[in-house]
Amino acid sequence: AQSVTQLGSHVSVSEGALVLLRCNYSSSVPPYLFWYVQYPNQGLQLLLKYTSAATLVKGINGFEAEFKKSETSFHLTKPSAHMSDAAEYFCAVSAAGGGSNYKLTFGKGTLLTVNP
Amino acid sequence: NAGVTQTPKFQVLKTGQSMTLQCAQDMNHEYMSWYRQDPGMGLRLIHYSVGAGITDQGEVPNGYNVSRSTTEDFPLRLLSAAPSQTSVYFCASRTGTGYQPQHFGDGTRLSIL
Repeated sequence: AQSVTQLGSHVSVSEGALVLLRCNYSSSVPPYLFWYVQYPNQGLQLLLKYTSAATLVKGINGFEAEFKKSETSFHLTKPSAHMSDAAEYFCAVSAAGGGSNYKLTFGKGTLLTVNP
Repeated sequence: NAGVTQTPKFQVLKTGQSMTLQCAQDMNHEYMSWYRQDPGMGLRLIHYSVGAGITDQGEVPNGYNVSRSTTEDFPLRLLSAAPSQTSVYFCASRTGTGYQPQHFGDGTRLSIL
């Protein structure tokens, strides 16, 4: 079985401040990991993905995430927040191997608010 | 470049009514799936399909049916709508390779009165 825990359902930062959104996963086999962003009344857009190549993954809009196997974490960061980053962010895990047909399991989401 | 198209975007139903949410993709993706999104719950998998003629249940399948007669289409049927099915429904697709990301539609906002 696989699962995702996103620490903090709501994170608030000032414009220009560091963004850190936390994600911990559980998987019995090597995982594929994803971060998605959802703007109000829209679908989900892929920010970045980890597929067992480089552990530091760069995505769109200046976001990056680091896969840390020892900590079972895949935290999302951005050095300087913009007002346009305000959205809900979802971490997701897909199991590599086994009989799970690579089903995607989502965390419950973190709502990011950016204050001027 | 349509991607994943969901119709309708909004729908209000009465308890006990049935309806079909439509999902179509033009990327020739083998894998398609349906999720529901509820506040504080993230997205939960309802049903998925790994190819035409093959479907399977996800985490929350009760009250929903699916079929996959073509690669492009993956409709979701509510047989007898209940207020607990009020939610936002997302369809997604990807290639058959598990490490590829899923592409999402814009969602259908469904209210059951």
